[in-house]
Amino acid sequence: GIQVEQSPPDLILQEGANSTLRCNFSDSVNNLQWFHQNPWGQLINLFYIPSGTKQNGRLSATTVATERYSLLYISSSQTTDSGVYFCAVELAYSGAGSYQLTFGKGTKLSVIP
Amino acid sequence: DTAVSQTPKYLVTQMGNDKSIKCEQNLGHDTMYWYKQDSKKFLKIMFSYNNKELIINETVPNRFSPKSPDKAHLNLHINSLELGDSAVYFCASSQDSTGTEAFFGQGTRLTVV
Repeated sequence: GIQVEQSPPDLILQEGANSTLRCNFSDSVNNLQWFHQNPWGQLINLFYIPSGTKQNGRLSATTVATERYSLLYISSSQTTDSGVYFCAVELAYSGAGSYQLTFGKGTKLSVIP
Repeated sequence: DTAVSQTPKYLVTQMGNDKSIKCEQNLGHDTMYWYKQDSKKFLKIMFSYNNKELIINETVPNRFSPKSPDKAHLNLHINSLELGDSAVYFCASSQDSTGTEAFFGQGTRLTVV
């Protein structure tokens, strides 16, 4: 099946700092999503971004599908950004990993005041 | 107005019992899913239904039986609960079975004692 690797696994930031989270995937995808799992366990949709660049406030994301990676940028981090960030992908053709999201192991972000 | 809602949010039960988790989506989506998040926070697909038809059934014990009475509901019934079933179970939905953004419910934390 499709493999998803996220880095770094853990990240500690001072409030106000910027960061970049990376997601590498092993095959062609027709869906890539970034999620934030907050300390209460909710999975919040950040971006649906199988290709291209999107921005939403202090967050932005870029997916380079031909090179099989995606980046999530967090600028001017706040304590409320703490939690686990997941990248999830769907295989673009029929096979193990199609018709579903395959998740990476996540990046655990801690933003300290 | 919650888009994907699950009940209950918490479930504590004894080994050997049978329990159900309910899921409803009001987004008008055709596809619904169940995902399991283990103690290491790894998320993995269990089942996927498209227009009430099962399209994905991952390697899950047959004690787990999904039921879709209509395309807005996907319930998960678990027989003879075991300690290892303790996890967070997430319901999700997407417009189509492939290539569209998935939205997740708030999760059900199941604890088997």
